[in-house]
Amino acid sequence: GAVVSQHPSWVICKSGTSVKIECRSLDFQATTMFWYRQFPKQSLMLMATSNEGSKATYEQGVEKDKFLINHASLTLSTLTVTSAHPEDSSFYICSASPGSGVKEQYFGPGTRLTVT
Amino acid sequence: AQRVTQPEKLLSVFKGAPVELKCNYSYSGSPELFWYVQYSRQRLQLLLRHISRESIKGFTADLNKGETSFHLKKPFAQEEDSAMYYCALTGGTSYGKLTFGQGTILTVHP
Repeated sequence: GAVVSQHPSWVICKSGTSVKIECRSLDFQATTMFWYRQFPKQSLMLMATSNEGSKATYEQGVEKDKFLINHASLTLSTLTVTSAHPEDSSFYICSASPGSGVKEQYFGPGTRLTVT
Repeated sequence: AQRVTQPEKLLSVFKGAPVELKCNYSYSGSPELFWYVQYSRQRLQLLLRHISRESIKGFTADLNKGETSFHLKKPFAQEEDSAMYYCALTGGTSYGKLTFGQGTILTVHP
């Protein structure tokens, strides 16, 4: 149980275009979803927290107009990287929490974004 | 501000040797601590959390509030334990948000 999927697993896009990454909880309802960014062999950096039906809360230094997050249902959150640039190339990971006092998060497999 | 420090970026041991991955934290309150593991080409997965006081795959971790540490230990390392290990913390106003340490790459040699 507690499986989280991400789509696509990797994407290449041209500079200036936008790309959407989906995060789905497959067998549970995710009250809260989190989006992280991970650089090679480095730690995960939390970008934002999203709760179903409300606006995402962004961490300091993360541009909310550039990284649009939508959490329209209890099983789906999307991250859209708008007007992508090469420096946005990274590994983006989502996680989901069932809530209701459950503190651990279940992680998706990640999406490799390369902006050319 | 909460912070998690894993002082060792790389740790190498031989199969059958004991292993300890260090984790220290900074938090003004009662945090919840976790260890996550990421095997090669796999997703991050929960290894254990301090409140459950369980042993998973032979690993244990004890929360030492006096030393603000949550070191991960295993008495006899196996080759399949080779992975990236992250210590993480949540609590307080940022309850639910995880703060991760930098990670330790464990390599267990045959």
